[in-house]
Amino acid sequence: EAQVTQNPRYLITVTGKKLTVTCSQNMNHEYMSWYRQDPGLGLRQIYYSMNVEVTDKGDVPEGYKVSRKEKRNFPLILESPSPNQTSLYFCASSLQGRSNSPLHFGNGTRLTVT
Amino acid sequence: AQSVSQHNHHVILSEAASLELGCNYSYGGTVNLFWYVQYPGQHLQLLLKYFSGDPLVKGIKGFEAEFIKSKFSFNLRKPSVQWSDTAEYFCAVNAGGGSYIPTFGRGTSLIVHP
Repeated sequence: EAQVTQNPRYLITVTGKKLTVTCSQNMNHEYMSWYRQDPGLGLRQIYYSMNVEVTDKGDVPEGYKVSRKEKRNFPLILESPSPNQTSLYFCASSLQGRSNSPLHFGNGTRLTVT
Repeated sequence: AQSVSQHNHHVILSEAASLELGCNYSYGGTVNLFWYVQYPGQHLQLLLKYFSGDPLVKGIKGFEAEFIKSKFSFNLRKPSVQWSDTAEYFCAVNAGGGSYIPTFGRGTSLIVHP
């Protein structure tokens, strides 16, 4: 089944403790992206990647890192999480990263930072 | 930079009522337009999309949207809603060609009472 898989689904952590949210897709998509969803603010893009070893900042990259060593994986890293990073995170991918390609989303990761 | 406005933040309807959700964007060039739906506790899924051609596009589950270029709008409609349409709806815009940074509206929460 074609899908984008995120793990974990839920994560509670403390300020400053490094964490990684994994994202994997099995559709051979070149483009991958991370979003955070907050009430009243909709979806905001954190980072995106057009292909392996190519990553770029989105609208809200501060406090996050990403890597794209393989085509299928695009982990999101929070080196020193803070409470304002409490949010619902979605990974997404699309074919070829063209402007007319729809996004396929993962099931989300709800992160709480205390 | 492109931006997307969804005017209705919360909509409450009874079953069988008609639905229209507004979406306006600001970008003067060619655009690709999407509506995504997020059912409670789930990830975003593509509802419908417009790239070119007939400005009235039909999506899944009886939804349709009309692209009106002169009004920079892409409103979502459904003649008769069902309880199962309760969800959050997001309008998204990509500038045609160029870099792939889709812009999402803040979303509209739809509640349908049985």
